[in-house]
Amino acid sequence: AQTVTQSQPEMSVQEAETVTLSCTYDTSESDYYLFWYKQPPSRQMILVIRQEAYKQQNATENRFSVNFQKAAKSFSLKISDSQLGDAAMYFCAYRRGGGSNYKLTFGKGTLLTVNP
Amino acid sequence: KAGVTQTPRYLIKTRGQQVTLSCSPISGHRSVSWYQQTPGQGLQFLFEYFSETQRNKGNFPGRFSGRQFSNSRSEMNVSTLELGDSALYLCASSSLRQGAYEQYFGPGTRLTVT
Repeated sequence: AQTVTQSQPEMSVQEAETVTLSCTYDTSESDYYLFWYKQPPSRQMILVIRQEAYKQQNATENRFSVNFQKAAKSFSLKISDSQLGDAAMYFCAYRRGGGSNYKLTFGKGTLLTVNP
Repeated sequence: KAGVTQTPRYLIKTRGQQVTLSCSPISGHRSVSWYQQTPGQGLQFLFEYFSETQRNKGNFPGRFSGRQFSNSRSEMNVSTLELGDSALYLCASSSLRQGAYEQYFGPGTRLTVT
């Protein structure tokens, strides 16, 4: 079974600084997707960024980027120029590849605090 | 497009009762997944429906069931409620985008069992 581990239950960062959230996963599959989701206090889960396992290039979405290390099964999220609105719970998630399995396996989450 | 909607947003039930939660996916999305979120267990997959068929199921007892209608709206039902069923229930709908099936979540239904 696939597992996703987020070893940092809580992190804090100063506004405008950079923070990196860690995620490791375990799978025997070669085709899969990795995601970072953000859940602000209002609880609406929002997709931040995704990475296809077959792509060597790290995904980037504006201030958010990932460091995908496939051999090490590591998938960290870097948030640059942190803003107060970035404060939320961040979940790392895994999905097996293929078009018939949409199940997401989530890590326990990292609570990010942004200090003004 | 309107996002994923879930009703009701909050619900209080008594042990032993049953409850039905509803989810309307984003227009055009044919897959709906359900997740249970609790402080202790985190986010756990319940089941996924595609074109009215359950394709995947998580490790939950048979008290948890669901269905999907022809318009892709989905309902999940929990019978004989237990205190441990208190949770945030999230629904997500999926679309194919750039080769990846991304899931979009609703705001959730907060179920409290007393």
